[in-house]
Amino acid sequence: AIQLTQSPSSLSAFVGDRVTITCRASQGISSALAWYQQKPGKSPKLLIFDGSSLESGVPSRFSGSGSGTDFTLTISSLQPEDFATYYCQQLNSYPLTFGGGTKVEIK
Amino acid sequence: EVQLLESGGGLIHPGGSLRLSCAASGFTFNTYAMSWVRQAPGRGLEWVSAISGSRGSTNYADSVKGRFTISRDNSKNTLYLQMNSLRDEDTAIYYCVLNGDSWGQGTLVTVSS
Repeated sequence: AIQLTQSPSSLSAFVGDRVTITCRASQGISSALAWYQQKPGKSPKLLIFDGSSLESGVPSRFSGSGSGTDFTLTISSLQPEDFATYYCQQLNSYPLTFGGGTKVEIK
Repeated sequence: EVQLLESGGGLIHPGGSLRLSCAASGFTFNTYAMSWVRQAPGRGLEWVSAISGSRGSTNYADSVKGRFTISRDNSKNTLYLQMNSLRDEDTAIYYCVLNGDSWGQGTLVTVSS
């Protein structure tokens, strides 16, 4: 199975900061990667698909990049509603797998 | 509007069985692959299983292979997850997922003696 390693596992940031989360795959997955946001007690929400495509309705401050084994989720200017846990998921091959998550907290 | 409504969760003893259902609406159910994803309390997301839209081909995580069976009834727009030989570590919220962009609210399965 393809392993996804997210880093960092948690971070603290100020409102307005630029935040970058990375996801590394144990083998190449082309651009078959999605990013999700999850808030406590809620279902995950899709932010980015195909590595860099912004899901409809998601603010443009979110962006994704990368292909192969290294991917990045960037929040250009962190907003209060962005404090949440973020997950990457590979959709290249079964079994599909998720990264361990990155919790973004208020500094 | 896409709606996914899970049901069937509850408290079950280790070794027991449970069947989850997901009633789908707002899209052409039989043309889409569907998945189950779970989340243990305080833990991350774990993909469990997926089934294709028409042919019904299936895939499973190693952790549930041989114990869980995913199926669908396209005439009822319903997705199922039959869970047998349940273990403590299967305790989780189980989400029904369409394409990654639509998730149900989840149903809680608690395996405990």
